[in-house]
Amino acid sequence: GAGVSQSPSNKVTEKGKDVELKCDPISGHTALYWYRQSLGQGLEFLIYFQGNSAPDKSGLPSDRFSAERTGGSVSTLTIQRTQQEDSAVYLCASSSGGNEKLFFGSGTQLSVL
Amino acid sequence: AQTVTQSQPEMSVQEAETVTLSCTYDTSENNYYLFWYKQPPSRQMILVIRQEAYKQQNATENRFSVNFQKAAKSFSLKISDSQLGDTAMYFCAFIGAGSYQLTFGKGTKLSVIP
Repeated sequence: GAGVSQSPSNKVTEKGKDVELKCDPISGHTALYWYRQSLGQGLEFLIYFQGNSAPDKSGLPSDRFSAERTGGSVSTLTIQRTQQEDSAVYLCASSSGGNEKLFFGSGTQLSVL
Repeated sequence: AQTVTQSQPEMSVQEAETVTLSCTYDTSENNYYLFWYKQPPSRQMILVIRQEAYKQQNATENRFSVNFQKAAKSFSLKISDSQLGDTAMYFCAFIGAGSYQLTFGKGTKLSVIP
């Protein structure tokens, strides 16, 4: 696609429910990132995918968070048993690899009631 | 671990004036890259300018320029001839040359006043 696409744009859920956030990176980009942006905070690294290598999951805050990337393209971030502190904007970015320029999506605003 | 500090949570500037946003960072690495990203209300992070640490010359992109002071670990962004469309959150970010993980500051909210 022309840019990084994220869906849904906004998601409201009840505490304890599971949610799935999707990211479709720029075609041909091998690197994919998930970041979390809480109110008034910078961006917090969650997970990194690079090609067929094992992902770097070191930023995932708890075992309720998981992510996968199918076929080296679309990625899904899953949050199980959501908590109110999970409320944030979840941003996805892709790049051609290494520390080249990152292209960001418009994020998913997650609100846990 | 690297840290990035933006000491100005909010700033405002009159349209057509110049404003400087501050950023300092802490690292033990010698080779790295520094970035300024803009985040308008649309939420999409947009790269404004990029600086390689091994280059002494300050990066410039149209109305945007940086003052990179490697010894002081300072990386400020100057916006000249401010426009209403410059209103946004601005984030300073760092990445080591051999790394893939960007470290962001907490951002500065810039308002351009007509």
